[in-house]
Amino acid sequence: GQQVQQSPTSLVLQEGENAELQCNFSTSLNSMQWFYQRPGGSLISVFYNPSGTKQSGRLTSTTVIKERRSSLHISSSQITDSGTYLCAMGTNTGKLTFGDGTVLTVKP
Amino acid sequence: GALVYQYPRRTICKSGTSMRMECQAVGFQATSVAWYRQSPQKTFELIALSTVNSAIKYEQNFTQEKFPISHPNLSFSSMTVLNAYLEDRGLYLCGAYRVSNQAPLFGEGTRLSVL
Repeated sequence: GQQVQQSPTSLVLQEGENAELQCNFSTSLNSMQWFYQRPGGSLISVFYNPSGTKQSGRLTSTTVIKERRSSLHISSSQITDSGTYLCAMGTNTGKLTFGDGTVLTVKP
Repeated sequence: GALVYQYPRRTICKSGTSMRMECQAVGFQATSVAWYRQSPQKTFELIALSTVNSAIKYEQNFTQEKFPISHPNLSFSSMTVLNAYLEDRGLYLCGAYRVSNQAPLFGEGTRLSVL
């Protein structure tokens, strides 16, 4: 089965609404990371968050390692937040296993 | 600042031909480099992880015969897609590690189309 499960697969919001993206892992992990993929492809690291809660502007990531889950909260969404959000789990060798992503569309 | 530069950004090759892509670490030394592929409608898969002065480790479904990788120093890696066919289309990302088990820095990718 898939090691990294993301939900929802897609999400449509009105500008200003909040979003909660989830990531669950089927195996134990060394670290996890959230990425944003622009339409067009390039990958941007949003959070490297092995555990606990991290915040950057309107984005907050919470990882609970022993429960094998992580979430990404986007508050007051903006149109420019649209794109694909991917989570990835890391092993102690550095290998990343990616989820399938959540496609976020923020409408005006 | 540190960044990873990939070249070319986009390329098209004829079916059955080969395509070489490059990855350059700028502003830091990359002890390890990982190559990933995102096929159409799919997520990223690891092709191989290369550490300088160590053997390159390929993932299942990817081989050195198909995706030979060169990692001659701490700032440069290249990968070739040999005998490219439609199933090799996608975005190829290079992730460079300053420290082997920490977060890699990704380039913008090479998008390969196959005709």
